[in-house]
Amino acid sequence: DAKTTQPPSMDCAEGRAANLPCNHSTISGNEYVYWYRQIHSQGPQYIIHGLKNNETNEMASLIITEDRKSSTLILPHATLRDTAVYYCIAPRNFNKFYFGSGTKLNVKP
Amino acid sequence: GAVVSQHPSWVICKSGTSVKIECRSLDFQATTMFWYRQFPKQSLMLMATSNEGSKATYEQGVEKDKFLINHASLTLSTLTVTSAHPEDSSFYICSASGLQLNEQFFGPGTRLTVL
Repeated sequence: DAKTTQPPSMDCAEGRAANLPCNHSTISGNEYVYWYRQIHSQGPQYIIHGLKNNETNEMASLIITEDRKSSTLILPHATLRDTAVYYCIAPRNFNKFYFGSGTKLNVKP
Repeated sequence: GAVVSQHPSWVICKSGTSVKIECRSLDFQATTMFWYRQFPKQSLMLMATSNEGSKATYEQGVEKDKFLINHASLTLSTLTVTSAHPEDSSFYICSASGLQLNEQFFGPGTRLTVL
């Protein structure tokens, strides 16, 4: 996997946008960037993934820089239920996911 | 979306016994399944990868004789923790991917407690 670096924690006010950064400076040209989140004591939940272009779905938007060395996950209107650990992953071989420490997002009322 | 289930959701067993955990893909054919382990306040650690009908590939440091993985069908993989000990107590999570290999869908996890 390309090594990913994320801040250990972030706070966000409820209703505001949450912008979670991820650095993946060693990513290669054919490696996707995936975002998952894990709410306490549950399995990870898929959020979004992308290769080069920005992506948007019903949960979030993914902004990937032109050089692909970093990306930002945007939750447009964070709610208390978005409190979770968010993982950015850039798998390489055979789709194996090696999870880093992720970012603990705390959404506060 | 694709759904992956695990059974049981939690299990308590005595030291020295074996425990089997099932992972099922409910609405798609899982050509590849993955098993992870997660200790408290830590991230997920990939244990092994299994392809339907083939032997599992274990990550470095994972004992294949202790963690037996079977992926006999496109919808079912099992993880058996043999001769479990208290240090095997953990949260075990499976994931599955189908023909579109770039997505993994995770199960809800199984919490194993070995007394």
